[in-house]
Amino acid sequence: AQSVTQLGSHVSVSEGALVLLRCNYSSSVPPYLFWYVQYPNQGLQLLLKYTSAATLVKGINGFEAEFKKSETSFHLTKPSAHMSDAAEYFCAVTFYNQGGKLIFGQGTELSVKP
Amino acid sequence: GAGVSQTPSNKVTEKGKYVELRCDPISGHTALYWYRQSLGQGPEFLIYFQGTGAADDSGLPNDRFFAVRPEGSVSTLKIQRTERGDSAVYLCASSSNGRSTDTQYFGPGTRLTVL
Repeated sequence: AQSVTQLGSHVSVSEGALVLLRCNYSSSVPPYLFWYVQYPNQGLQLLLKYTSAATLVKGINGFEAEFKKSETSFHLTKPSAHMSDAAEYFCAVTFYNQGGKLIFGQGTELSVKP
Repeated sequence: GAGVSQTPSNKVTEKGKYVELRCDPISGHTALYWYRQSLGQGPEFLIYFQGTGAADDSGLPNDRFFAVRPEGSVSTLKIQRTERGDSAVYLCASSSNGRSTDTQYFGPGTRLTVL
């Protein structure tokens, strides 16, 4: 079955520290992968996406993610956390010919300590 | 430009009542999606429209749920005989062409509470 797993429902980092949010997918066909961010009382906003071009994808706000087929992973990173990065982050997957139907992970809440 | 809008932002109803949730997509977007997000969970797919037709309704949980998009723009999600388990945030998204690689733009959601 096709699925997405985000390891760690809560991650806490200090301001200026590396952010690493983990996402693994399960699929027998090539995936398209997305990271969305959800700030309190706001809609989901796309951070970045992998659509089978470059495996290292750069997104908004200094975030990037690398697609690793051998590890079935698409982890999200940012070199230096900022207080404004505190939010809920969702990894999602879809596949060719699915019309864009997204399968989401359960989310990771990122806290940033001063 | 205007993003995806959803009304109402909050809806409180009693068990057994009928509710309608409205989504206004980005102008010109042909694809429209409905998702449901329960507390502490990621969004779950409900239904996807390409133009006026439902291209995939495999996520609708049962026949109490129905959605329409009669003119290929605004969509309404309809829930009959609401149950407490229907309480969730209902999200709408639209994309330009409905391709799997297209970005989906999400609205702020409608929080439905069934008492």
